[in-house]
Amino acid sequence: GAVVSQHPSWVICKSGTSVKIECRSLDFQATTMFWYRQFPKQSLMLMATSNEGSKATYEQGVEKDKFLINHASLTLSTLTVTSAHPEDSSFYICSARGGLDYNEQFFGPGTRLTVL
Amino acid sequence: GQNIDQPTEMTATEGAIVQINCTYQTSGFNGLFWYQQHAGEAPTFLSYNVLDGLEEKGRFSSFLSRSKGYSYLLLKELQMKDSASYLCAFMDSNYQLIWGAGTKLIIKP
Repeated sequence: GAVVSQHPSWVICKSGTSVKIECRSLDFQATTMFWYRQFPKQSLMLMATSNEGSKATYEQGVEKDKFLINHASLTLSTLTVTSAHPEDSSFYICSARGGLDYNEQFFGPGTRLTVL
Repeated sequence: GQNIDQPTEMTATEGAIVQINCTYQTSGFNGLFWYQQHAGEAPTFLSYNVLDGLEEKGRFSSFLSRSKGYSYLLLKELQMKDSASYLCAFMDSNYQLIWGAGTKLIIKP
């Protein structure tokens, strides 16, 4: 099956710093990538949808200047949390869609972000 | 509007059978997904139904009724490792997944 990787798996940073999370589709071309955030004991919350080569579409309530998304190629999307604060601590998960089965989304393993 | 609903938590016994229900409302529909998520991990794909009926895959089966806006995930011969959250999601007319809040399944010996 299709494989999606994320890096880093976990990160701890100081308040005010920026953190970049990478999402890669390893064996298929991802026409669309999704970024989710999940707080403890809650379901996935879609943050934004990005198509290769175009600007990301952000969900209501998600600050696009704070959560910068770049989808420069068909295999790589990045999420940068700028000026991170403790309330940004969460589990960030990317998923990718593409390949033979357009409907299925393949999830990365997630990135645990802790902001001190 | 769109909405999706599933029970918050269920408990079952090892070796038994459990059915997790999911109901949804949407004007545009492109299929219903079930994912399994263990604590601290990303979701993993279990099943996809776009036509009415039952799809069987080993110990797991998924059912869909589009006219009723209803799906269920059936888990047979429960094992302790099946303790996890089970997320249902439908794909809307924009091919975007709309997620339920997840059902936490607790398996007892």
